[in-house]
Amino acid sequence: AQSVTQLGSHVSVSEGALVLLRCNYSSSVPPYLFWYVQYPNQGLQLLLKYTSAATLVKGINGFEAEFKKSETSFHLTKPSAHMSDAAEYLCAVNPRSGNTGKLIFGQGTTLQVKP
Amino acid sequence: ETGVTQSPTHLIKTRGQQVTLRCSSQSGHNTVSWYQQALGQGPQFIFQYYREEENGRGNFPPRFSGLQFPNYSSELNVNALELDDSALYLCASSLSGGASDTQYFGPGTRLTVL
Repeated sequence: AQSVTQLGSHVSVSEGALVLLRCNYSSSVPPYLFWYVQYPNQGLQLLLKYTSAATLVKGINGFEAEFKKSETSFHLTKPSAHMSDAAEYLCAVNPRSGNTGKLIFGQGTTLQVKP
Repeated sequence: ETGVTQSPTHLIKTRGQQVTLRCSSQSGHNTVSWYQQALGQGPQFIFQYYREEENGRGNFPPRFSGLQFPNYSSELNVNALELDDSALYLCASSLSGGASDTQYFGPGTRLTVL
């Protein structure tokens, strides 16, 4: 069965430092891939998604992610962290089979940004 | 443009009771998906409705059921509540339910089962 692994349940960076949040999927066929952000007591907001166009995907708020088929990865990065980036980040896949909108989520990574 | 809305915001029930959660989809969207997010976990897919028909279901028992109405709003019903049903329930709408479609999430309903 398709699964998503987010390495590191908590990541802490200093303001201005590089943000790197890891996501690996398990599938022989590249799925559609999504990164969402969740602020406390709020729903999920889409940061970016990969749908088999360019492998480097740019999203909102300065985030980007690179799809690497050979590594089955879709890591999220941001060159310089802001305090406002502190939130929960969720990686999700849609396996493409069955043509439904079923998203399979990872466990999430909490990003802490230190001043 | 109105986003996805959910009601109520919070709900407290006791074990064995039944609950109905509501979701209004974003304008122009005909597909609604429901997810359960337990504390500290990622959301788990419950089911999806496309044009009033169930279009995919996750690994949840039959006491989790749903409806979609002609205006594409939706309800999630849970019967015989168990303590483990305590979670944030998220509703998401999308244009057509396709695998690459962006799902737009509501703020969720926090259900506590005592």
